Amino acid sequence: EADIYQTPRYLVIGTGKKITLECSQTMGHDKMYWYQQDPGMELHLIHYSYGVNSTEKGDLSSESTVSRIRTEHFPLTLESARPSHTSQYLCASRTNLAAGKETQYFGPGTRLLVL
Amino acid sequence: SQQGEEDPQALSIQEGENATMNCSYKTSINNLQWYRQNSGRGLVHLILIRSNEREKHSGRLRVTLDTSKKSSSLLITASRAADTASYFCATDGGAQKLVFGQGTRLTINP
Repeated sequence: EADIYQTPRYLVIGTGKKITLECSQTMGHDKMYWYQQDPGMELHLIHYSYGVNSTEKGDLSSESTVSRIRTEHFPLTLESARPSHTSQYLCASRTNLAAGKETQYFGPGTRLLVL
Repeated sequence: SQQGEEDPQALSIQEGENATMNCSYKTSINNLQWYRQNSGRGLVHLILIRSNEREKHSGRLRVTLDTSKKSSSLLITASRAADTASYFCATDGGAQKLVFGQGTRLTINP
């Protein structure tokens, strides 16, 4: 089991609400990632970070924002949730070491439903 | 656009049979990885194969990589009901990001 955690696991909110999805890992990994995945579909990278104070936009445009103030913590925020944000959000991390450590470790995901 | 395409999108076999899933990609890679996802959960890493490797084994898993065809296959031998899940290939092009395929949904019937 990977030491990467996401809260909440499930969230149902109304349109226009501000939400923050939490992701934390205790493995000391430098790199962290947020993916968006609709049920049964592929993963889309929406944000990533190479380390503290580093954040980058992913391949899929997203209205969310992220921050990386501490190595272990990579929260994702939606300022004003809309029904189109309904999806599963997966957080992942990987070590900064080179060869042999390229795999990503995933959290259990947050299922978001915006009404 | 996504790098990987997986084939088939869905596969249903009987317990004990072998399951083969294929993945094709478009650009050069450092390595290719396979992940498994149980319904509604996060992904779990299964196996990694580097661009200079052609075949790799891990338990009942066998992965092949053909860089000339830009394709990979995952073989699960002697399938079990517990193997029911979605399987994703992901390519690492060296930018420390993974690009995932759309996945194969595997169902093992008892």
